[in-house]
Amino acid sequence: GAVVSQHPSWVICKSGTSVKIECRSLDFQATTMFWYRQFPKQSLMLMATSNEGSKATYEQGVEKDKFLINHASLTLSTLTVTSAHPEDSSFYICSGIRGGNQPQHFGDGTRLSIL
Amino acid sequence: KQEVTQIPAALSVPEGENLVLNCSFTDSAIYNLQWFRQDPGKGLTSLLLIQSSQREQTSGRLNASLDKSSGRSTLYIAASQPGDSATYLCAVLNSNSGYALNFGKGTSLLVTP
Repeated sequence: GAVVSQHPSWVICKSGTSVKIECRSLDFQATTMFWYRQFPKQSLMLMATSNEGSKATYEQGVEKDKFLINHASLTLSTLTVTSAHPEDSSFYICSGIRGGNQPQHFGDGTRLSIL
Repeated sequence: KQEVTQIPAALSVPEGENLVLNCSFTDSAIYNLQWFRQDPGKGLTSLLLIQSSQREQTSGRLNASLDKSSGRSTLYIAASQPGDSATYLCAVLNSNSGYALNFGKGTSLLVTP
């Protein structure tokens, strides 16, 4: 149990395009979802925390107007990279938890390549 | 701010060897510590989770230990196999981080036949 589905798995698009990534908890209700970013040879860095029905909390240095996060239901969170540029190319991974300090369950990630 | 360090950054061993991966963290106020496996271009697979009150967890050929007071954890892999080749990530959950994980940079493991 505790499966998180992330879609799409790979996106290639032109600079200036907006890209939406979906993160779904398939068999549990995720009260909190997290969005991480991973550059090559680097660790996962937390971008933002989203709680269902409220605004996301962004980490320092992450532009909230560029990375729009919506967590409208207990099973779906979306990350929209607006007006993407080559420096936004990265591996984006989401995770969800049932609540509190429960184990995080991760999606398979989305590789975003901006040309 | 929690800092998580993993040593070594890369490791290559012949098949069959036992090996130890190390993880250290600076803030001992943790809820738990997790070890993950990440294959190239893929997401994370949770291997073991150790609660702050526990000393170790075992799953098959994997054994993870936790010494919270010294800020250290080890992942022991017995009888390594080529299929164990992957990047292993250590992550800690702090009691004051809003339940987000702090990750190390990982150890890239290559097990050669």
